[in-house]
Amino acid sequence: QKEVEQDPGPLSVPEGAIVSLNCTYSNSAFQYFMWYRQYSRKGPELLMYTYSSGNKEDGRFTAQVDKSSKYISLFIRDSQPSDSATYLCAMSAWYNTDKLIFGTGTRLQVFP
Amino acid sequence: SQTIHQWPATLVQPVGSPLSLECTVEGTSNPNLYWYRQAAGRGLQLLFYSVGIGQISSEVPQNLSASRPQDRQFILSSKKLLLSDSGFYLCAWSTGGVLAGEQYFGPGTRLTVT
Repeated sequence: QKEVEQDPGPLSVPEGAIVSLNCTYSNSAFQYFMWYRQYSRKGPELLMYTYSSGNKEDGRFTAQVDKSSKYISLFIRDSQPSDSATYLCAMSAWYNTDKLIFGTGTRLQVFP
Repeated sequence: SQTIHQWPATLVQPVGSPLSLECTVEGTSNPNLYWYRQAAGRGLQLLFYSVGIGQISSEVPQNLSASRPQDRQFILSSKKLLLSDSGFYLCAWSTGGVLAGEQYFGPGTRLTVT
């Protein structure tokens, strides 16, 4: 079993839709949770960084962490064509914050 | 502001040849530095990380090695490349500690081993 599971998609939605991206994990020691966005042939860029359980909102993006279910989500409101990219979840344990474990990424396509 | 550089952007190398990829960071001191590989259709795999000059942690057994000769310089090397070494190599930095998950990535090097 992989430590982090992420649906690879692709996910295709119309402009303006609400997008839900999800990851599950198995290691109960994970305390730090991240979402990165990666455009084709580019390096990933950090979108959201959360600690432990709860919600965090930044503009059109909301990150949710449910540690009891070992489940994290990223919601994108009012999706735009410029949101078309691959979204990677990542997480790290309290005992080694440098070692990020990434999901395989979900490819999102927002069409006009 | 901080900037991270990687070179070369693309590289085609024959099997058995050596490899040297370089990464430098500007605008910050004593960063934690990371090397990742991203194979087609797979997530990012952490290869090495460094919390200081000469301090290297290896995460995956392989024929690659890393060195950190200066505070803001991180080098990935191989003596003899394998076909399986093909992929997209990414360097990243962070301030470490509880913010180690806030990593900033370079533009990457696309390596094809033929």
